[in-house]
Amino acid sequence: QVQLVESGGGVVQPGRSLRLSCAASGFTFSGYAMYWVRQAPGKGLEWVALILYDGSNTYYADSVKGRFTISRDNSKNTLYLQMNSLRAEDTAVYYCARDQYRSPDYWGQGTLVTVSS
Amino acid sequence: DVVMTQSPLSLPVTLGQPASISCRSSQSLVYSDGNTYLSWFQQRPGQSPRRLIYKVSDRDSGVPDRFSGSGSGTDFTLKITRVEAEDVGVYYCMQGTHWPRTFGQGTKVEIK
Repeated sequence: QVQLVESGGGVVQPGRSLRLSCAASGFTFSGYAMYWVRQAPGKGLEWVALILYDGSNTYYADSVKGRFTISRDNSKNTLYLQMNSLRAEDTAVYYCARDQYRSPDYWGQGTLVTVSS
Repeated sequence: DVVMTQSPLSLPVTLGQPASISCRSSQSLVYSDGNTYLSWFQQRPGQSPRRLIYKVSDRDSGVPDRFSGSGSGTDFTLKITRVEAEDVGVYYCMQGTHWPRTFGQGTKVEIK
């Protein structure tokens, strides 16, 4: 069965960096585009980034463009999100999700990132 | 950016009664391939989102048939024929036609 397991969240000071990982299993990882979607505490869902199946193209929300980088290692079945210059407003649960029909079909359990001094 | 507007934002319902959530987009969601990429998600309290519907009306595997999606262009609806206790949560629409991808604000479904 499809499994997505995020890791790497934690508490970080403003301006610092953090890298999230998402380990995928139960499907052919290299055949799917992948998302990062976040949810601030008590708020709705916000799309963050998407990477195509082969890593050839990446897309970002304006709120993270130039600070965050989505990448993947298909040999390790792992998705990444490198987050630099973190701000308080980046505090959220970060979900990775698989793309099917231009929509996230399977989601991980999420990892909490807290940006605070 | 395409703005997705859901209504109502709060929906108290009686068990066994129907419920309906509207989602309107600020631009047409018809893609160049002829498909309309509008999906619906359910997020139960304390859980990750779960996709219910994709491409307006296609139901995901394992989703009860009391959930249905309809609409076209800029106007879409999620309907629950008979609400059950397990349907409590927040429902989101999302468009996959335009960049950036955008979600609606969410509709909280609760039992009266």
